[in-house]
Amino acid sequence: QKEVEQDPGPLSVPEGAIVSLNCTYSNSAFQYFMWYRQYSRKGPELLMYTYSSGNKEDGRFTAQVDKSSKYISLFIRDSQPSDSATYLCAMSENTGKLIFGQGTTLQVKP
Amino acid sequence: DTAVSQTPKYLVTQMGNDKSIKCEQNLGHDTMYWYKQDSKKFLKIMFSYNNKELIINETVPNRFSPKSPDKAHLNLHINSLELGDSAVYFCASSQEGTTYEQYFGPGTRLTVT
Repeated sequence: QKEVEQDPGPLSVPEGAIVSLNCTYSNSAFQYFMWYRQYSRKGPELLMYTYSSGNKEDGRFTAQVDKSSKYISLFIRDSQPSDSATYLCAMSENTGKLIFGQGTTLQVKP
Repeated sequence: DTAVSQTPKYLVTQMGNDKSIKCEQNLGHDTMYWYKQDSKKFLKIMFSYNNKELIINETVPNRFSPKSPDKAHLNLHINSLELGDSAVYFCASSQEGTTYEQYFGPGTRLTVT
């Protein structure tokens, strides 16, 4: 069993839809929970991070962490074609070692 | 003004050859990393250096040897390349204390034939 599980998709939605991306994990020692976005043929870039449980909002993006269920989510409101990318969840015990999910490929159609 | 740069961007080589990938960051970060991304986009850490000291060394064949001449540079040398080494290799860096926020380079796409 992988430490972090993420549905690879692909996920295709119409422009303006609400997108929900999820990851589950098994290591209860994880403290930091991140979402990275990777455009085709580019390096990943940090979108959001959350420390421990709770919600965090940044514009159209909301990250949620439920440590009791070992489940994290990223919601994208009013999705745009420019959001089309691969979204990677990542987790860390704050050692610098990030454990990534497989990534979910999202396509937002105009 | 590139933050994390890698050279080369593409590398095509034959089995058995030795090759190197170079990485440089101008962010003033203390920690640098090497990641491997396979064909299914699974990204896995290989090594991490903090101020030229190796701090993370995952289960990687010893054909892979990282070297950090200073804290702004981290190179990866691969001996006796195998078909399974074909992947995209990413360099990343972070500041000590915020290691969850890693800045990635553009990647080096290695193809071994």
